[in-house]
Amino acid sequence: DTEVTQTPKHLVMGMTNKKSLKCEQHMGHRAMYWYKQKAKKPPELMFVYSYEKLSINESVPSRFSPECPNSSLLNLHLHALQPEDSALYLCASSQTTSGDQNTGELFFGEGSRLTVL
Amino acid sequence: LAKTTQPISMDSYEGQEVNITCSHNNIATNDYITWYQQFPSQGPRFIIQGYKTKVTNEVASLFIPADRKSSTLSLPRVSLSDTAVYYCLVGGYNTNAGKSTFGDGTTLTVKP
Repeated sequence: DTEVTQTPKHLVMGMTNKKSLKCEQHMGHRAMYWYKQKAKKPPELMFVYSYEKLSINESVPSRFSPECPNSSLLNLHLHALQPEDSALYLCASSQTTSGDQNTGELFFGEGSRLTVL
Repeated sequence: LAKTTQPISMDSYEGQEVNITCSHNNIATNDYITWYQQFPSQGPRFIIQGYKTKVTNEVASLFIPADRKSSTLSLPRVSLSDTAVYYCLVGGYNTNAGKSTFGDGTTLTVKP
């Protein structure tokens, strides 16, 4: 059982819609991530939040807007998406990002399958 | 960034031991090596992590040579349910210094 919960599991939206993906974890992790995964491809990093502050933005288009309201929650706001944005969006968390200790252990949710019509 | 290279696919039979090797020539001193398993339409799941030599847990072993430029994930006595994509990930996330990237992964198919 995953300890990172993502909602909704499936989302279909039009190109003019505004929707949000939500992610929640209660493991006390202070780093949270959004990844995008296309079929038969590895996950691609989109955003990293560390201690509720955006620390990495991998040149993601502005139609994707992340938000970290608190240490347990992570949202991804979607607006004016394109059909090519259809993908599995994965949320992950980890214990720490700061300092020299790079453990790389990520805890993933089950993902939100997004279809843009 | 530590780039990783893995075989694209591997086939095996139930009950066999499977070894998947990952190359990471530019691994940094502070980088760890982590392996993930992913089933279709699910998030990756942590398998094992190590820094050097050998690490073993209840599901796998990880062998890392002294130069740390490669690592080998060993799955003992695989079953059909081990059919999945396996990713080697090197590094981690440091707000100041960098991040790690998933390689293309190895699709393991276990046959009866």
